[in-house]
Amino acid sequence: GENVEQHPSTLSVQEGDSAVIKCTYSDSASNYFPWYKQELGKGPQLIIDIRSNVGEKKDQRIAVTLNKTAKHFSLHITETQPEDSAVYFCAVVKAAGNKLTFGGGTRVLVKP
Amino acid sequence: NAGVMQNPRHLVRRRGQEARLRCSPMKGHSHVYWYRQLPEEGLKFMVYLQKENIIDESGMPKERFSAEFPKEGPSILRIQQVVRGDSAAYFCASSPAGMGPGYGYTFGSGTRLTVV
Repeated sequence: GENVEQHPSTLSVQEGDSAVIKCTYSDSASNYFPWYKQELGKGPQLIIDIRSNVGEKKDQRIAVTLNKTAKHFSLHITETQPEDSAVYFCAVVKAAGNKLTFGGGTRVLVKP
Repeated sequence: NAGVMQNPRHLVRRRGQEARLRCSPMKGHSHVYWYRQLPEEGLKFMVYLQKENIIDESGMPKERFSAEFPKEGPSILRIQQVVRGDSAAYFCASSPAGMGPGYGYTFGSGTRLTVV
């Protein structure tokens, strides 16, 4: 089955700096790559996603890049703020699939 | 428009008891998914249901676990004879029909099951 590796598991950054989280996946049939933010005691919330026919997507301070050849994709958060502190999960979906396969998560701490 | 509603938010059960977790999808959503999250881990797929049908239960343990999504009412995840290893957060997500896999997912806030 699909295997998704996410790094790092924890990330501490100074407010205003950038944060980068990387995920690799194993199944080349994967074609949809969402990122979720999970705050304490809440369910995951979609923050950005990318499809396999796109290499990069940006939404304000958040961007995602995808390298299908290397089978990895990354989340970039610029100008981090304390409210960005949360656990972030990458996920992948196969074209013929119906479920999300999640990475192990990255706990991001933004220090004021 | 309420989001995905899960209840209870917290559930404590003694070993051997039954746990029933409920999920009401977003209005207009006909697909329901259950995921389990162990402490400090990512979410793991359990089961995908449409009204009155189990579409994919490849992530469900073979014993003690069952799920349903009846024509009327919420989806139910049922765990019989709970053991300590069942302690986890259980999340439900829903999506509308007609979207590609993974698209349009909305997660609920989860039910945190503790087995004592």
